[in-house]
Amino acid sequence: EVQLVESGGVLVQRGGSLRLSCAASGFTFSSYTVHWVRQAPGKGLEYVSSITGNGDTTYYASSVKGRFTISRDNSKNTLYLQMGSLRAEDTAVYHCARDAAYVKFDYWGQGTLVTVSS
Amino acid sequence: QSALTQPASVSGSPGQSITISCTGTSSDVGGYNYVSWYQHHPGKAPKLMIYDVSKRPSGVADRFSGSKSGNTASLTISGLQAEDEADYYCCSYAGGITVIFGGGTKLTVL
Repeated sequence: EVQLVESGGVLVQRGGSLRLSCAASGFTFSSYTVHWVRQAPGKGLEYVSSITGNGDTTYYASSVKGRFTISRDNSKNTLYLQMGSLRAEDTAVYHCARDAAYVKFDYWGQGTLVTVSS
Repeated sequence: QSALTQPASVSGSPGQSITISCTGTSSDVGGYNYVSWYQHHPGKAPKLMIYDVSKRPSGVADRFSGSKSGNTASLTISGLQAEDEADYYCCSYAGGITVIFGGGTKLTVL
């Protein structure tokens, strides 16, 4: 069974840093591009970042570029999101999602809540 | 990149059909046949309903269908049921590994 389980979400002060993890199981993790997508309170889904299966290519939304870093450890079947210079507007539930091909996000995690206090 | 444009809300009665539009540009929706749709109930993981504009994953009811014309994609739900009430998001490929979501549409089943 394919599973994606996020962790690491906490209450953090504005300007602080945090690392989220997404543990994958039930599939060959290294074969898939994976993404982080977030949802702020009362708002819609917002794309955050992507990384290809071998980690060679990454992409970021303009709202997080330069502050967040996506990475993966295929030996541990884990995706990461290093978040820095956190702002109140980064408060959201962060989901990881598997991309089966061209925005076919077939599996999602339940999400982890990041709260940035101002 | 700006979010794809979706209506904020749509509603329909049980048994009726509704359509949710998703408008982008020639750089995303209009440029590729890679649009997906997600159903999202608050507190749960989003669920893939449509991919590649009009394909349904196994397990998704055939009441859900997708289409595209130019820079606008559409999700149609026929035979509305109470459990269809949720937020719906479109998503488009935009080249490389870039992704763009719509702002979301709240579907209310009256």
